[in-house]
Amino acid sequence: DQQVKQNSPSLSVQEGRISILNCDYTNSMFDYFLWYKKYPAEGPTFLISISSIKDKNEDGRFTVFLNKSAKHLSLHIVPSQPGDSAVYFCAGTSGTYKYIFGTGTRLKVLA
Amino acid sequence: GAGVSQSPSNKVTEKGKDVELRCDPISGHTALYWYRQSLGQGLEFLIYFQGNSAPDKSGLPSDRFSAERTGGSVSTLTIQRTQQEDSAVYLCASSPLSGGGYGYTFGSGTRLTVV
Repeated sequence: DQQVKQNSPSLSVQEGRISILNCDYTNSMFDYFLWYKKYPAEGPTFLISISSIKDKNEDGRFTVFLNKSAKHLSLHIVPSQPGDSAVYFCAGTSGTYKYIFGTGTRLKVLA
Repeated sequence: GAGVSQSPSNKVTEKGKDVELRCDPISGHTALYWYRQSLGQGLEFLIYFQGNSAPDKSGLPSDRFSAERTGGSVSTLTIQRTQQEDSAVYLCASSPLSGGGYGYTFGSGTRLTVV
């Protein structure tokens, strides 16, 4: 049972445009969601999180939106830069230390 | 150290051999996690250590897998009698607190290939 799904394995976006990465989840007990970014041969790095009591969290060029009724979250990157090219993982947790990760979306930002 | 350090970065082993993977967490981080990423899969939780509490081993896929954390710092993940399906990137992470949206700091991982 895959509790966190990232249905788009890859995405290409022109530099300067908006990147939208999507994530769906099934576990209604999740109370925190996180996004991680991973470059090749490196470990994932924490990007941004959102509590289930919020519907939006913004940090610079990165904004995460949460739609609890649809069990859907998305990460918006505006404007996209070539250095944003990486694999992005979303994760959910139900107030514990155990994060359930999706399979990732590979973002390519074209210069 | 400044980050989470894992060794070796790459390991090729023959089927049936035992392997040990090492993780040095960030100094002062009480929580330590092991995850793995198999090809085309998400990050799969394996085990969690928090201070002196009993570890949560619920993610270990079989009894061939074990892990320990000595002195509340360095951790070793051991895989006995390795199988080809054990091939994956094994990631260690640590955090000063556990739970919620704090996020972990991951190491660069150990790429294990069982031939």
